[in-house]
Amino acid sequence: DAGVIQSPRHEVTEMGQEVTLRCKPISGHNSLFWYRQTMMRGLELLIYFNNNVPIDDSGMPEDRFSAKMPNASFSTLKIQPSEPRDSAVYFCASRSRTGATDTQYFGPGTRLTVL
Amino acid sequence: DAKTTQPNSMESNEEEPVHLPCNHSTISGTDYIHWYRQLPSQGPEYVIHGLTSNVNNRMASLAIAEDRKSSTLILHRATLRDAAVYYCILNRVAAGNKLTFGGGTRVLVKP
Repeated sequence: DAGVIQSPRHEVTEMGQEVTLRCKPISGHNSLFWYRQTMMRGLELLIYFNNNVPIDDSGMPEDRFSAKMPNASFSTLKIQPSEPRDSAVYFCASRSRTGATDTQYFGPGTRLTVL
Repeated sequence: DAKTTQPNSMESNEEEPVHLPCNHSTISGTDYIHWYRQLPSQGPEYVIHGLTSNVNNRMASLAIAEDRKSSTLILHRATLRDAAVYYCILNRVAAGNKLTFGGGTRVLVKP
């Protein structure tokens, strides 16, 4: 398996623009997670899905952020409008089941820079 | 969220063992202890997990205190490739098995 795939790997945009980050989870996994990592706040969980349904979005910073999972093999995280403070590395992770022993597999991340 | 406490950084010499401590005094009976690590410029990767008993796998060993309020990740022979940030996380069933990452321990391996 190719692992979790994220695109783009790097994104540079200007303040106010819409940004869409994409994630393809590992085939057969039924949970998907979006994280954000910054130097100041570390690695934070933004939202996660089970069976394509959002379960917990309490980590989404504000209404400018939205996430969708239209099917089991694709998810997007959208920021509209983007702001410089959104600059971070965004990770997607997937998990095969929902048990306490089940591990998450992380993608390589998307480095977002908002100018 | 149940919190864990780890030292900010540790140094080790190559080929020597590394013992990474983690305190989790608020752990509950159903919380699993997970360890992940993050190599430079990569996403986190799973290392090991346990509930009550000590665990071994090809990457590391996990020693869990009898009262479960602390644990230690053991890298038996550190290599330069083990230089990473190591995160100790409580996987809480009651919280939907989410992972809440703390600051982790940055491990530096010296040749």
